[in-house]
Amino acid sequence: DAGVTQSPTHLIKTRGQQVTLRCSPKSGHDTVSWYQQALGQGPQFIFQYYEEEERQRGNFPDRFSGHQFPNYSSELNVNALLLGDSALYLCASSYMENTEAFFGQGTRLTVV
Amino acid sequence: GESVGLHLPTLSVQEGDNSIINCAYSNSASDYFIWYKQESGKGPQFIIDIRSNMDKRQGQRVTVLLNKTVKHLSLQIAATQPGDSAVYFCAENDYKLSFGAGTTVTVRA
Repeated sequence: DAGVTQSPTHLIKTRGQQVTLRCSPKSGHDTVSWYQQALGQGPQFIFQYYEEEERQRGNFPDRFSGHQFPNYSSELNVNALLLGDSALYLCASSYMENTEAFFGQGTRLTVV
Repeated sequence: GESVGLHLPTLSVQEGDNSIINCAYSNSASDYFIWYKQESGKGPQFIIDIRSNMDKRQGQRVTVLLNKTVKHLSLQIAATQPGDSAVYFCAENDYKLSFGAGTTVTVRA
C-alpha cells in the first residue's frame, strides 16, 4: 500500500518563474492538504482540497493555487516565484477532513 | 501567533532512557492533536494522535498524555533509541494542522 507520494523531490527555479508540484494521496484517502515548511520551522498550512474543491486556505497569497483531480491527486501551483518561496513543500492526505493526516516526503523547492 | 507551542527547542537524551516532549496549546476548544516525527530531509511521520475525550493513549514505545485543564500535552518515548533522533512536532488538527516550532531530540550513545 503506497503512502503519500510527491513529485518531484527537488526542484530549482528562477525568480519570476512558475512551478507545479504534484501529490498522490495514500490509498483510501480523499482529502489533500498542502504545507510550506521553511528551514527550522514547523509546516505552515497553505490550503486543503476535498471533493475537488478548495475547502480551507491559510495565509498565503493568490500566487499559490491548487487543484484536485477526480482520482484525489492534487497539484500545487506557484506563480511569479520569489526567493522567499524557497522551502520544503509537503502534501498530507487523510480520509475526510479531520482525521489522521499522513505526509509525503516533500518537494524541496529552491528559487534562485 | 501560534496555537500550539513546544516548551523546549532541544532535548538531549541518553540511549535507553525515557524521553518526554512537552507541548502547550492556547485554544480550549481544541479537541484533536497529533504528534509527528520528522527526520532530516523527510516529511513528518505520524506517531500517535489523541482526541479530547481521552487523557492518555499508548502506542508502541510511545504514550501521549493530554491535560485539558492546563492545555498541555506530552509525548513520552520509552527506552529511547538512536533512531529516535529527530524533530518532534505536536499539531492541533482542526480540519487543518497547526504546528509549533518543534523539539529536536538528540540521543547520546
